[in-house]
Amino acid sequence: KAGVTQTPRYLIKTRGQQVTLSCSPISGHRSVSWYQQTPGQGLQFLFEYFSETQRNKGNFPGRFSGRQFSNSRSEMNVSTLELGDSALYLCASSPHREVNTEAFFGQGTRLTVV
Amino acid sequence: DAKTTQPTSMDCAEGRAANLPCNHSTISGNEYVYWYRQIHSQGPQYIIHGLKNNETNEMASLIITEDRKSSTLILPHATLRDTAVYYCIVRPPSGGGADGLTFGKGTHLIIQP
Repeated sequence: KAGVTQTPRYLIKTRGQQVTLSCSPISGHRSVSWYQQTPGQGLQFLFEYFSETQRNKGNFPGRFSGRQFSNSRSEMNVSTLELGDSALYLCASSPHREVNTEAFFGQGTRLTVV
Repeated sequence: DAKTTQPTSMDCAEGRAANLPCNHSTISGNEYVYWYRQIHSQGPQYIIHGLKNNETNEMASLIITEDRKSSTLILPHATLRDTAVYYCIVRPPSGGGADGLTFGKGTHLIIQP
């Protein structure tokens, strides 16, 4: 069974640009969550999608957005990039939203903003 | 969400049991304790979780105190590949999977040859 796949693995963007990151969950998984990881702030929750609807959102500005498609694949978008958006962006999937459920993380997309 | 406190770093000799403590004194009765680890430059990996009872799987054992205010993750025979940052997380009762997890700074476990 394939794991969570994130593309691209590495990305370099310029300040002010926008970027779209992609996440393909494990087959059959319907919940997808996104996290940002930086050396200073650690792992921080961005948002969670289930059945194409955003169910929960972390404390990030509106420049960070996402969506989920009918096949559960998800994308996140960051507009008007800032230097501080340089981070490892991680996606995680789980079969459903039951509290007693483990999550499976992808390898992440390393975004560098210059 | 209940907060967790973990030591910043720990060392353990290869082949010995690694015991990683976690304090979660404000945990609520319906909140689970989850453990994940992150090996350098990889995404976090689920290890184990529990509510009240001790749990064991192929990777580790989780010992939760009777008052649920603390827990210990035990890696029975640590190997060099277990060197990682270990996160103890208290799972809020709503949502599931990776929804809204609060990762602290974790414990950097270093396995010494």
